[in-house]
Amino acid sequence: QVQLQESGPGLVKPSETLSLTCAVSGYSISSGYYWGWIRQPPGKGLEWIGSIYHSGSTYYNPSLKSRVTISVDTSKNQFSLKLSSVTAADTAVYYCARQGGYYDILTGYPPFDPWGQGTLVTVSS
Amino acid sequence: EIVLTQSPDFQSVTPKEKVTITCRASQSIGSSLHWYQQKPDQSPKLLIKYASQSISGVPSRFSGSGSGTDFTLTINSLEAEDAATYYCHQSSSLPQTFGQGTKVEIK
Repeated sequence: QVQLQESGPGLVKPSETLSLTCAVSGYSISSGYYWGWIRQPPGKGLEWIGSIYHSGSTYYNPSLKSRVTISVDTSKNQFSLKLSSVTAADTAVYYCARQGGYYDILTGYPPFDPWGQGTLVTVSS
Repeated sequence: EIVLTQSPDFQSVTPKEKVTITCRASQSIGSSLHWYQQKPDQSPKLLIKYASQSISGVPSRFSGSGSGTDFTLTINSLEAEDAATYYCHQSSSLPQTFGQGTKVEIK
């Protein structure tokens, strides 16, 4: 059974860099698939931040692209998110999730399943 | 960017009633549309993939239909445990996007 667990600071100061890690168990990241980050501001909807393919190729939301870096560490079976120059608008629950499949021109990318439990990151001085 | 618009935003339903939630895409996405259920203080859970494909472990009262730009999530015979917010998600093109959510309340 694949499980994902986010970790990182719950409080980040404005203008600093938010750093989160997603530890994966029950599946080896190096075996394949996409691994993504999604966030949800308090009381609001879901926003895709970006995804990384097991080989290291990355795909970012253009709205965040200039500030986002997603990387993978296959030796630790985890992937990470860095979001720079944060403001209060970046306060959200951050989820990691697997997209268990491959891109197909007819069906697109796979759905997100499973998801981690999420971690709340608050941006405040 | 493909915009997904769900309707309604909120629905109050009595147990055993049928619930229908729609998701409309701003352009054709084929069948690259997935549905999630999110209960309070929980992470989203995949309910339906590729518009109509069922997910192992998900009750059979949940079903999906549609293609192109118009999609529907149906909950037959609503149960109290189905109180949640439901989101659609398109993975046809980047950036991947979500609908704004539909909150289902049990009367």
